[in-house]
Amino acid sequence: TQLLEQSPQFLSIQEGENLTVYCNSSSVFSSLQWYRQEPGEGPVLLVTVVTGGEVKKLKRLTFQFGDARKDSSLHITAAQPGDTGLYLCAGRGQGKLVFGKGTKLTVNP
Amino acid sequence: ETGVTQSPTHLIKTRGQQVTLRCSSQSGHNTVSWYQQALGQGPQFIFQYYREEENGRGNFPPRFSGLQFPNYSSELNVNALELDDSALYLCASSLSTGGGYGYTFGSGTRLTVV
Repeated sequence: TQLLEQSPQFLSIQEGENLTVYCNSSSVFSSLQWYRQEPGEGPVLLVTVVTGGEVKKLKRLTFQFGDARKDSSLHITAAQPGDTGLYLCAGRGQGKLVFGKGTKLTVNP
Repeated sequence: ETGVTQSPTHLIKTRGQQVTLRCSSQSGHNTVSWYQQALGQGPQFIFQYYREEENGRGNFPPRFSGLQFPNYSSELNVNALELDDSALYLCASSLSTGGGYGYTFGSGTRLTVV
């Protein structure tokens, strides 16, 4: 069974701070995706990383895929209240998408 | 370009009843997946359809079944509803089953079983 462990589960920070969310597994995934979900809505795709060691940047968000394609991280620089939401990592493997439990981020003004 | 549309948005059913949830995939997407998201949890994979055939299934009992139609829209059917089936049911579509493709999710159907 492929599992993805996300940490931390909850994160509450002040506007302007930096943060990192981690996504770890003992399984290898063909790709890893990060989504953001707001209450009452479905997850929205932020990025897909495919190659081990790959780094992608999306404005203040930096995503990294581990060399062995088993783990990933999301770093947010100078967090803003608009970044508040549930961040989910999801690995593609064995023909399906496996999600972590998510990190609930709250950015206080 | 329209996104993924799910109906209904909310539903209340009694234990033992049957329910059908519907999903219209994003234009051009031939792959549809269904997920169950309990409160405070990440989405759990139920099954996936590619060109009208089921091509992947998660750890859900046979009373969870589905269909994909020629226009790539899809249905999720749940028989003999149980209280633990209460959750947000998400549909997602993708261009392909390939690993590099992302999914577009609908806003979900909130099912409450009483």
